Amino acid sequence: GQNIDQPTEMTATEGAIVQINCTYQTSGFNGLFWYQQHAGEAPTFLSYNVLDGLEEKGRFSSFLSRSKGYSYLLLKELQMKDSASYLCAQLSGSARQLTFGSGTQLTVLP
Amino acid sequence: ETGVTQTPRHLVMGMTNKKSLKCEQHLGHNAMYWYKQSAKKPLELMFVYSLEERVENNSVPSRFSPECPNSSHLFLHLHTLQPEDSALYLCASSQGSGTGPPYEQYFGPGTRLTVT
Repeated sequence: GQNIDQPTEMTATEGAIVQINCTYQTSGFNGLFWYQQHAGEAPTFLSYNVLDGLEEKGRFSSFLSRSKGYSYLLLKELQMKDSASYLCAQLSGSARQLTFGSGTQLTVLP
Repeated sequence: ETGVTQTPRHLVMGMTNKKSLKCEQHLGHNAMYWYKQSAKKPLELMFVYSLEERVENNSVPSRFSPECPNSSHLFLHLHTLQPEDSALYLCASSQGSGTGPPYEQYFGPGTRLTVT
């Protein structure tokens, strides 16, 4: 199977910037997704990277380095509502197979 | 109704019961998925249906039986479950088929299952 590694927990202050890292195995790589999941709710799509570089979407950006098997999610101007679990997921093999990491629980403090 | 809906939202069942989870997507997608989410563990892909045909079964015990009668509906039939099967069961859907570009998956709110 694919190993997806990301930190278990992170804490940051409202208004700050936080970077959540994710590493994955490069074999069979087809793309990298980031999802946000609030407690008791469904995961929601944040970003998708398949080529190297940075994808920016408002306050959220995601970066990919395929040679290093590395991605990060960058959250700027943090708000309290950004407190959630952030899931890194690798697309590999067939176009339908998503393998998820355990998620990074981000707590934003006032 | 919009997006992906799941019923029931909560289910408590004994080990000898038979129950079914239902998922419905209103997005015109043609691929649907069942995932299991246990505490402190990654989301685990259980089943994938594309164009109503099962294309993936990730070594899931036979006490879980999926059914996809059409592209909008997906069921997970449960029987003789074990306490360790207690988890959040999430349904998702996506568009596209075959080897086309991958599209993001849209998740339902999940069914919180407790097996006693």
